[in-house]
Amino acid sequence: EVQLVQSGAEVKKPGESLKISCKGSGYSFSSYWIGWVRQMPGKGLELMGIIYPGDSDTRYSPSFQGQVTISGDKSISTAYLQWSSLKASDTAMYYCVRPGGGYFQHWGQGTLVTVSS
Amino acid sequence: QSALTQPASVSGSPGQSITISCTGTSSDVGGYNYVSWYQQHPGKVPKLIINDVTNRPSGVSTRFSGSKSGNTASLTISGLQAEDEADYYCSSYTSTSTYVFGPGTKVTVL
Repeated sequence: EVQLVQSGAEVKKPGESLKISCKGSGYSFSSYWIGWVRQMPGKGLELMGIIYPGDSDTRYSPSFQGQVTISGDKSISTAYLQWSSLKASDTAMYYCVRPGGGYFQHWGQGTLVTVSS
Repeated sequence: QSALTQPASVSGSPGQSITISCTGTSSDVGGYNYVSWYQQHPGKVPKLIINDVTNRPSGVSTRFSGSKSGNTASLTISGLQAEDEADYYCSSYTSTSTYVFGPGTKVTVL
């Protein structure tokens, strides 16, 4: 069974850094793209970017290029989403997703990030 | 701002059929048979209900169906039920080898 298990909720102050994780199991982690989806409070789904853990090929959606860093460690089947300096507007639920062809069949449980002074 | 467009809201009475549209361009919806639809209830993880334009994953109600014509994809919910009240998002593969979501449609069962 494919599972994506994300790290727990975070509460941070503006300007702080953060790295959240998503551990995949039940499949060959290196062989499938994995991505991150943002959902701001009361808003829609936005794909931030995707990474292919096998060779670390990473593609960012234009709105997120330069704002976050997506990385992966295939040795521990884990993908990461990282901020160097959080803003209040980064407050959101973040989901990791595994594309299967042209769709997202598998979703993590979500990580709530709250940025507040 | 999404590259795909959806109506903000659609409503219907129990038992009726409703259709949600998802309009893109030839670089996404029109160029690939990789349109998918997701249902999200409040506070829940989105759930895949249609993939590859028309395919219904195992366990998804047969009341959900998908189609596509040109640059517009559609999700139809037949025999509307109270449990169908949720947000619905379309998504498409794109010519930049990534994916894009629509802004979402809130379905209300009257």
